[in-house]
Amino acid sequence: SAVISQKPSRDICQRGTSLTIQCQVDSQVTMMFWYRQQPGQSLTLIATANQGSEATYESGFVIDKFPISRPNLTFSTLTVSNMSPEDSSIYLCSVVSQWGTEAFFGQGTRLTVV
Amino acid sequence: GQQVMQIPQYQHVQEGEDFTTYCNSSTTLSNIQWYKQRPGGHPVFLIQLVKSGEVKKQKRLTFQFGEAKKNSSLHITATQTTDVGTYFCAGNLYNFNKFYFGSGTKLNVKP
Repeated sequence: SAVISQKPSRDICQRGTSLTIQCQVDSQVTMMFWYRQQPGQSLTLIATANQGSEATYESGFVIDKFPISRPNLTFSTLTVSNMSPEDSSIYLCSVVSQWGTEAFFGQGTRLTVV
Repeated sequence: GQQVMQIPQYQHVQEGEDFTTYCNSSTTLSNIQWYKQRPGGHPVFLIQLVKSGEVKKQKRLTFQFGEAKKNSSLHITATQTTDVGTYFCAGNLYNFNKFYFGSGTKLNVKP
């Protein structure tokens, strides 16, 4: 299994500002992912964080809005840029086990934009 | 894009009653996984199904993967209050090691 530390756990931010969320894994993993989960909704995949190359974004998500870094195999950051109230959500990082058999999630970052 | 739908959206049952949630994918899946998310928590892995027609059991939970590998179900026998939460399926496409989550079924169990 993988233990994922995500921070901050929650934040309240002013519109127009940016927030960077950090995700630290206790072991080296090939694939890391960022999800968004709005209250009472499902998880929507934002992007795959690739080590050594640019992140791969899903439809509807762009690098300018959600820049992602992946400097090594145990760490990634997601920045929510130029925030608006519509960005209020829970953001989760996730890693996949070595054999791709399950995903592990961080505790999530509850973001409120006012 | 990839879509994974789940029904029902909500289910309220009396403790002891059975519960089933269904998952359908618009495309054939490499495998499917099921997760449970308690209120305020993050998704926790339950099981993975890989083979066409596969059936797996975990105590009161029975998981099935359809023959065409496009649908799946989770059945809970004799629900307990500890089963409360949202159940998500997550489909994995061939050659892509990332998961697309279904819309989820929120289960409430009344004691």
